[in-house]
Amino acid sequence: DAKTTQPPSMDCAEGRAANLPCNHSTISGNEYVYWYRQIHSQGPQYIIHGLKNNETNEMASLIITEDRKSSTLILPHATLRDTAVYYCIVRVLTGANSKLTFGKGITLSVRP
Amino acid sequence: ETGVTQSPTHLIKTRGQQVTLRCSSQSGHNTVSWYQQALGQGPQFIFQYYREEENGRGNFPPRFSGLQFPNYSSELNVNALELDDSALYLCASSAAINLSPLHFGNGTRLTVT
Repeated sequence: DAKTTQPPSMDCAEGRAANLPCNHSTISGNEYVYWYRQIHSQGPQYIIHGLKNNETNEMASLIITEDRKSSTLILPHATLRDTAVYYCIVRVLTGANSKLTFGKGITLSVRP
Repeated sequence: ETGVTQSPTHLIKTRGQQVTLRCSSQSGHNTVSWYQQALGQGPQFIFQYYREEENGRGNFPPRFSGLQFPNYSSELNVNALELDDSALYLCASSAAINLSPLHFGNGTRLTVT
C-alpha cells in the first residue's frame, strides 16, 4: 500500500471548517483513499473514502486532487467532539482485504 | 444494529503467560481482523480471518494466533507474553465486499508486567 504523509497536528475554532490535508504521492490507480478518526480511548471510526471523485456524507467531505497525489478531509462545522486523531490511509482492494496501514495520523484539536 | 464488541476491556498479565482476547463482529459481517496499537502509534495489522481461515497476516510472530467461529466471532491468542506486547488490541469486522469499510471495537488494553 502507498504511504501517506500528514502533518502531526492542527487546530481550529469550534463552528469553523476543519481542513485536514494528506499527501499520497505514490498512490496507485487501484488504491482508494480512506479516512478514519480515533477519539481518545475508543477504536478508530470510519469517516469516508473515495477513489478520484469528491465524496460527501453526513460526517465530512473528501476532496481528492485530479492527479490523486493528495486529498483533503473537510469537517464543515467542527465541534469539540471532533477533537481526535485523524488517519488518512490508502487501501488496495483485493479479495476480502481488511488490512489497513495506519501512520501516526494528524491530531485535530478543536478549541472553544 | 449491534456494533463490534470486545472483552475484556482491560487485562493485566505477567511475562511468559498466555492471553485470549475476544471479539463479537458487527451483525452481517463475516470478515474479522485484529490490530495492535502501541501507545502513541497508529494501529498495526496482525491478521484477518474470513470463513474461519486466516487469509492475511502482518509482521507478527507465530505466537500471535487466532480463531474465527461459525457465528463470525473471533479470538486472538498470544502465547509467551513479552513486555512489548503491552498495547491496545483492536478487533475490526467488515462484510466481505471489497469496498466495505472496517468497523472497529473499542479494544482491549493489555498490560504485561
